Amino acid sequence: QVQLVESGGGVVQPGRSLRLSCAASGFTFNIYGMHWVRQAPGKGLEWVALIWYDGSNKYYADSVKGRFTISRDSSKNTLYLQMNSLRAEDTAVYYCAREVAMIGNQEAFDIWGQGTRVTVSS
Amino acid sequence: DIQMTQSPSSLSASVGDRVTITCRASQIISTYLNWYQQKPGKAPNLLIYAASNLESGVPSRFSGSGSGTDFTLTISSLQPEDFATYYCQQSYSTPWTFGQGTKVEIK
Repeated sequence: QVQLVESGGGVVQPGRSLRLSCAASGFTFNIYGMHWVRQAPGKGLEWVALIWYDGSNKYYADSVKGRFTISRDSSKNTLYLQMNSLRAEDTAVYYCAREVAMIGNQEAFDIWGQGTRVTVSS
Repeated sequence: DIQMTQSPSSLSASVGDRVTITCRASQIISTYLNWYQQKPGKAPNLLIYAASNLESGVPSRFSGSGSGTDFTLTISSLQPEDFATYYCQQSYSTPWTFGQGTKVEIK
């Protein structure tokens, strides 16, 4: 079935790095834009990053720009988020999500992973 | 960035009630507006896309309306499984932004 499975979360000290992975299955990965969305404990959803279907364009939230890098490996059907210089405020559950054009070019997140928890603490 | 403001932040309702949640964008976004439902400990789930279109498999008691800057999510008859947090989200321009969420609780 169509699914996304995140991994790589954990507890990390401030200033350190972590790489999240999102394994896609059940669909043609290389025709979809992919996103990372995070949710801090008890808070709402925050969009983090987007990568186009072919990896040619990447966009970031201001809060992570210059520290996080989104990438994808179509040979492995996997999305990544490299997180450097981590801060306490990066503590959150990180979700990967598939972007789909529902009507014309109006897109939505139709498939989400189960999330992976990242805790930044000394 | 486009700011999305939902109201109310929370509400208490009974099974069978009609519930309305509103979402306002800080600039015109046409119908580039989606609604998601999230239950505790779970990933969000797409309910409504392009402001008024019901995602496949979502019960017909959910509906969406609006265009421009003002949007509404309506649950016509609240069911026990509908107690959750609801988020609007704009896909008009990057960065895609979410409303702060509306928590629907049992009265």
